[in-house]
Amino acid sequence: KNEVEQSPQNLTAQEGEFITINCSYSVGISALHWLQQHPGGGIVSLFMLSSGKKKHGRLIATINIQEKHSSLHITASHPRDSAVYICAVIPGKLTFGQGTILTVHP
Amino acid sequence: NAGVTQTPKFQVLKTGQSMTLQCAQDMNHNSMYWYRQDPGMGLRLIYYSASEGTTDKGEVPNGYNVSRLNKREFSLRLESAAPSQTSVYFCASNLSSYNSPLHFGNGTRLTVT
Repeated sequence: KNEVEQSPQNLTAQEGEFITINCSYSVGISALHWLQQHPGGGIVSLFMLSSGKKKHGRLIATINIQEKHSSLHITASHPRDSAVYICAVIPGKLTFGQGTILTVHP
Repeated sequence: NAGVTQTPKFQVLKTGQSMTLQCAQDMNHNSMYWYRQDPGMGLRLIYYSASEGTTDKGEVPNGYNVSRLNKREFSLRLESAAPSQTSVYFCASNLSSYNSPLHFGNGTRLTVT
């Protein structure tokens, strides 16, 4: 079993929909990262969090340390949100989930 | 700021050839990493350097060597390339290995024939 599991693996949405991507992990962590990989391949950091909730624009990330679970929400999704979303945890070194491929149709 | 600069962007090698992937960051970060990304496998850590002068193996270090030349630069060397090393390679850095945001280079697409 992978230490970091993401769901769903693939997600298709219509523009404007509310989107949730989930990340569950099995190890104790000091922080969790959410990353976005664009269709061109570049990777950017969206959030790093160790407790509670963070918001940036239309993106919201939450984490429940006791349940070993984090969610990434996108409100009012847009085609430019189409990307691969990756969660990664730090039990010393980063361990990555497999990624969620999000496609938002106009 | 340039952030994390990775070169080259593309490379084709023949089996047995050697090459070095270069990575430099201008953010005064302490920690630097090399990852490979393969379809269906996600990102996997090859080597990392928690601070200048230190390096450590990651999940898939076989066939690779690294050098933390100074605080800015962290290179990855393939001494004798194999087709199994065909992958996309990413360099990344952060201020601290435990709890600071990651910054990634744009990746190197390597094909070994």
